[in-house]
Amino acid sequence: QVQLVQSGGEVRKPGDSVKVSCKSSGYTFTSFGIFWARQAPGQGLEWMGWINAYQGNTDYAQKIQGRVTMATDTSTSTAHMELRSLTSDDTAVYYCARVFRGVVDYWGQGTLVTVSS
Amino acid sequence: DIQMTQSPSTLSASVGDRVTITCRASQSIRSWLAWFQQKPGKAPKLLIYKASTLQSGVSSRFSGSGSGTEFTLTISSLQPDDFATYYCQQYNTYWTFGQGTKVEIK
Repeated sequence: QVQLVQSGGEVRKPGDSVKVSCKSSGYTFTSFGIFWARQAPGQGLEWMGWINAYQGNTDYAQKIQGRVTMATDTSTSTAHMELRSLTSDDTAVYYCARVFRGVVDYWGQGTLVTVSS
Repeated sequence: DIQMTQSPSTLSASVGDRVTITCRASQSIRSWLAWFQQKPGKAPKLLIYKASTLQSGVSSRFSGSGSGTEFTLTISSLQPDDFATYYCQQYNTYWTFGQGTKVEIK
């Protein structure tokens, strides 16, 4: 069965960076993309970006462009999302999900990133 | 950027009720719209894509309609497991979510 398993929660200080990983199984990793979104406490969902797992091309939301890097390791079917220059506004649950032709279907369990001094 | 606006923000309903949630796009997104259900502490779950196509394994009491800028999600007979927050999402141009509709027990 399709599964996306994310890395564990992280606590960072303002100005730090964080890297979240997302390991896929149960499907051909390079036939799909990986979509990233986040959800601040008590808030809605916000798209962050996506990566084509085969070609490696990316698109990022304008709001975080310049602070985010998404990458994949096809040898381990793992996607990574790094966010830099963290502020308290980046405190959120970060999700990865599988995407095909725009449709986001299977999601990871989420990773809580807390930014606090 | 395409903006997505859902209404209502909160909906109080009883088991067995027919429930409708509306989603409006700031410009035409043709039929490139999905609906998700999210429960507290859980990841979103895909219910419907391409405005009206039911995702595999999702109950047929969920249905979607619309095209262009106006879309609806209907739950034909609300069940206890359906109390959750629902999000629409456009994927015509990148992705944008609506702000969510919380369906709570009346």
